Amino acid sequence: RKEVEQDPGPFNVPEGATVAFNCTYSNSASQSFFWYRQDCRKEPKLLMSVYSSGNEDGRFTAQLNRASQYISLLIRDSKLSDSATYLCVVPRGTSYGKLTFGQGTILTVHP
Amino acid sequence: AAGVIQSPRHLIKEKRETATLKCYPIPRHDTVYWYQQGPGQDPQFLISFYEKMQSDKGSIPDRFSAQQFSDYHSELNMSSLELGDSALYFCASSLWVGVNEQYFGPGTRLTVT
Repeated sequence: RKEVEQDPGPFNVPEGATVAFNCTYSNSASQSFFWYRQDCRKEPKLLMSVYSSGNEDGRFTAQLNRASQYISLLIRDSKLSDSATYLCVVPRGTSYGKLTFGQGTILTVHP
Repeated sequence: AAGVIQSPRHLIKEKRETATLKCYPIPRHDTVYWYQQGPGQDPQFLISFYEKMQSDKGSIPDRFSAQQFSDYHSELNMSSLELGDSALYFCASSLWVGVNEQYFGPGTRLTVT
């Protein structure tokens, strides 16, 4: 089993839609989790950190289910500018520094 | 807000040549990380430094070396370049090694011909 697994998509949704991505991780000792977004040929940008059961920032909500070892990202009222690849990221075990990336979920928001 | 700076942004080298990539972390960040992202792949951790000492090592080839200097900038030295080294190389920085939020620079696109 890969350390971090995501549904690669692509997800194609209309503007205004609500879309959710799931991510599963293998290391039950992981304490923190991140969602990054990456636009084509650009650097990953930190979208959200998750340390407890979840986090919310405007239209974005992340939820953590430790028992099932998955993290979800919910985007409400999708905008065209939300089109990107969303990366689920987990520090490797309890070792700081080594971030393990999922393969990314591609989101395209269309008019 | 100041971000991570990487130079050069693009680099073209021939096989067996050497390359040096530079990274300037966000001010007051003392930890830097290097990642390699091949086409269509997710970023792979190479190496990290905290307070000028190597703090962790990932899948970095022996042909590569890196260091962090007294001003906290870091350089990734790559020798005997191979075609497979063509990739985006990202540097990220964090406030200190115990903080997991990493902020990425714009990357250096290395093409080996």
